[in-house]
This record gives sequence, structure tokens and C-alpha cells, in this order.
Amino acid sequence: GAVVSQHPSRVICKSGTSVKIECRSLDFQATTMFWYRQFPKQSLMLMATSNEGSKATYEQGVEKDKFLINHASLTLSTLTVTSAHPEDSSFYICSASSPLGREETQYFGPGTRLLVL
Amino acid sequence: AQSVTQLDSQVPVFEEAPVELRCNYSSSVSVYLFWYVQYPNQGLQLLLKYLSGSTLVKGINGFEAEFNKSQTSFHLRKPSVHISDTAEYFCAVSKETSGSRLTFGEGTQLTVNP
Repeated sequence: GAVVSQHPSRVICKSGTSVKIECRSLDFQATTMFWYRQFPKQSLMLMATSNEGSKATYEQGVEKDKFLINHASLTLSTLTVTSAHPEDSSFYICSASSPLGREETQYFGPGTRLLVL
Repeated sequence: AQSVTQLDSQVPVFEEAPVELRCNYSSSVSVYLFWYVQYPNQGLQLLLKYLSGSTLVKGINGFEAEFNKSQTSFHLRKPSVHISDTAEYFCAVSKETSGSRLTFGEGTQLTVNP
């Protein structure tokens, strides 16, 4: 089956620093990658949609200058949380899809736990 | 826009009992429907999906779901649960032409007790 990895799995940083999270599709080419944020005991909230070679599309209320997304290749997307603050602490999950005909399935990474002190 | 409602935030059951996790959706267009499972501190794993065809969909780990268009529901069922099924379950929808953009329900915590 399709495998998506994320790195790191867990990160602790100081307030004001930047953190980069990588999302890789290991055995398929992902034309589209998605970034979600999940607060404790809540559902996943879509932050942005990333297409290879083009600018990401951000959801309403998500600051594009704070959450920088780069999708430089068909197997890698990165999310950089700039000038992180404690309220950015959350579980960040990426997913990747590669539509084949009518197949529209997202495959999720294992998530990255971010704690900002 | 579409929305998803999972009617039960928590469902406690005993081992080997049957379980049904309820999901209703609303959309003005045709949708694809999904159930995902999330174990603690992990990402989401696809259980099953409905794209078209037979309304009864069988997934992994013995789960199945039935698409009911008239009731706009996609309830998840398992005839006999195991303790290892304890997890958070998310129902999700996407528009057929949306490029896989998913809208998730709030999730249902299934707890299987011995």
C-alpha cells in the first residue's frame, strides 16, 4: 500500500524559533499533499493544499507567512512553522494523494508532535 | 460546502460485542465517503471507502460500512470487536471533483473493554 512518512515524529523548540517538518511519499508520486493540524481530542483541520511546483492554497484563517509550505518534488513537501509560539503546539499531519482515474484517496503520514516552550 | 456529523463522541463496548459508529453527511453534490482510524499518537489509517457501486463496503480489520443516499448516512459496523479496536474513528467526505480535499467529522472514540 501507499506509504507516507513524516520527519521528525516529535520536536520541542523554544518560542521564536522556526521548525521544519518533512512529508514524503515513499512508494508513489504525490501530485497533491495536504497539511492538517489536530489539537487534543479534536478532529483534523485542513491548513493548506500543496501541489507540486505551485504555490500552496491556504484555508481561511491560516497565516501563509507563518506556515510556509514548499512542494518541490512529487515525493516531498515541507511545512515550516516560523517564529513558533506556544499556541502553535499541536499535532501536524500530512497526507498525499495521487489520483488515478476516479480514485481519490489520501494516505496519511504518522504525524509530528510539536511542542513550543 | 459539505459537512460531516458523527453522532457519538464516545462509544464504550465490551469485547466481542457488535458496534456501530454513526456518520451523517450533507452535500449538494455527489461525494466520496471514507472511514479512517487513528491510534494514539499516530496518523490516520484508511479503513474503507465508498466511491461508487455497491453500497455495502468492506474494509480492513473486519469493518464494513453501508452508504445510504436517502438518509445521507455512512455508518461503520463490526460484528465482534476486539480490545485492539480501541481507537479514534473519523468519518470523512470529499467532493468527487474536489481533488481529494477531505472534510472530517469530529471523531468517535471507541473503547473496547474486557
